[in-house]
Amino acid sequence: NAGVMQNPRHLVRRRGQEARLRCSPMKGHSHVYWYRQLPEEGLKFMVYLQKENIIDESGMPKERFSAEFPKEGPSILRIQQVVRGDSAAYFCASSPDGPGREQYFGPGTRLTVT
Amino acid sequence: SQKIEQNSEALNIQEGKTATLTCNYTNYSPAYLQWYRQDPGRGPVFLLLIRENEKEKRKERLKVTFDTTLKQSLFHITASQPADSATYLCALSTGGFKTIFGAGTRLFVKA
Repeated sequence: NAGVMQNPRHLVRRRGQEARLRCSPMKGHSHVYWYRQLPEEGLKFMVYLQKENIIDESGMPKERFSAEFPKEGPSILRIQQVVRGDSAAYFCASSPDGPGREQYFGPGTRLTVT
Repeated sequence: SQKIEQNSEALNIQEGKTATLTCNYTNYSPAYLQWYRQDPGRGPVFLLLIRENEKEKRKERLKVTFDTTLKQSLFHITASQPADSATYLCALSTGGFKTIFGAGTRLFVKA
């Protein structure tokens, strides 16, 4: 059973470029969460999606950030016009059931903005 | 304001002892509380989930308690081993869509 996969593992972008982070949930999981983690800080909720639907995006900045989970293919977290403050580890998690249940995390994508 | 707090100071214990980690929360009424382990450079790994109507949950050397009156969860690792050294995250869900994570407590188990 493959776990949650994220790619790329490391991503370097210059200020103003776009960053695309991909997440393939565990097989059979239709619930996906994205989190951001800064060094020495906890995970900050960004967005919760089910297949083709954004359920809760209250943790995501209104500008430059977007997420999708299409019917086919991985979930994508997209950051447009990146700034240095976007540098962080971004984790994706999937769950077979809805909120409040155990989540299975990927290895994360470490984004560095130069 | 709503807060979830874990000891920010690292916990250092000797191998074989019981490690006890604390998670306190304010202004939440969680339906579930979860504990995760995170190693450096890796994603969190789920350990245990306890519901609001449960007082205690066990899994092998792990035990979680949940006191909704004190608004506190305790996480115990008995017969600790150096391999248990990691950061342990507490997370709660109020029944809505979000899971709120604490900043974690770092545990060091010395051989």
